[in-house]
Amino acid sequence: GAGVSQTPSNKVTEKGKYVELRCDPISGHTALYWYRQSLGQGPEFLIYFQGTGAADDSGLPNDRFFAVRPEGSVSTLKIQRTERGDSAVYLCASSLIGTGGSGELFFGEGSRLTVL
Amino acid sequence: AQTVTQSQPEMSVQEAETVTLSCTYDTSESDYYLFWYKQPPSRQMILVIRQEAYKQQNATENRFSVNFQKAAKSFSLKISDSQLGDAAMYFCAYRSRGGSEKLVFGKGMKLTVNP
Repeated sequence: GAGVSQTPSNKVTEKGKYVELRCDPISGHTALYWYRQSLGQGPEFLIYFQGTGAADDSGLPNDRFFAVRPEGSVSTLKIQRTERGDSAVYLCASSLIGTGGSGELFFGEGSRLTVL
Repeated sequence: AQTVTQSQPEMSVQEAETVTLSCTYDTSESDYYLFWYKQPPSRQMILVIRQEAYKQQNATENRFSVNFQKAAKSFSLKISDSQLGDAAMYFCAYRSRGGSEKLVFGKGMKLTVNP
């Protein structure tokens, strides 16, 4: 597709369940980012991939959160043992220029996660 | 760590009028980027304008311009000839020039455009 695609658009789950959120970046973009946006807040950085490797995962809040990008394209954000505080919109973005440039980030429409 | 502050949670403007959105930031770095993003109800963040800190000239994109005051660590966005489609959440963001690629966002400001 032409833009960054995120699925599912909305996900409702129960406390303690496992969740996967998928991001399909713009074709050819080597850099991929995950952000979390809680209600009434700005997006908070979670993790940044350059190719297949996580170049910066300092924003992951704890070891229940994990992300992969095995072939350098699609990425999956995985959340184990979900908690109500994990409820938020999870945004994915990609860019053509990863390191050092001011390459524009293109965002998807996010996945809204609700943990009951 | 860098921080970005947007002190006005909401603003409104009449269609065709001009509005200025304020943003301040805190950093010890000398070289960085600043951005304004727009987020409509669709949730997709859209880049409005970008400023490189080493450039003294204020960035301009059509009806959007910034007032970048490096010493004061201030980065305001001016929207001229406001249109109904400008109504959205606006986020100010900071990014270091080197090192991590992560954006640091402010809390955002809701802009309403009245017809």
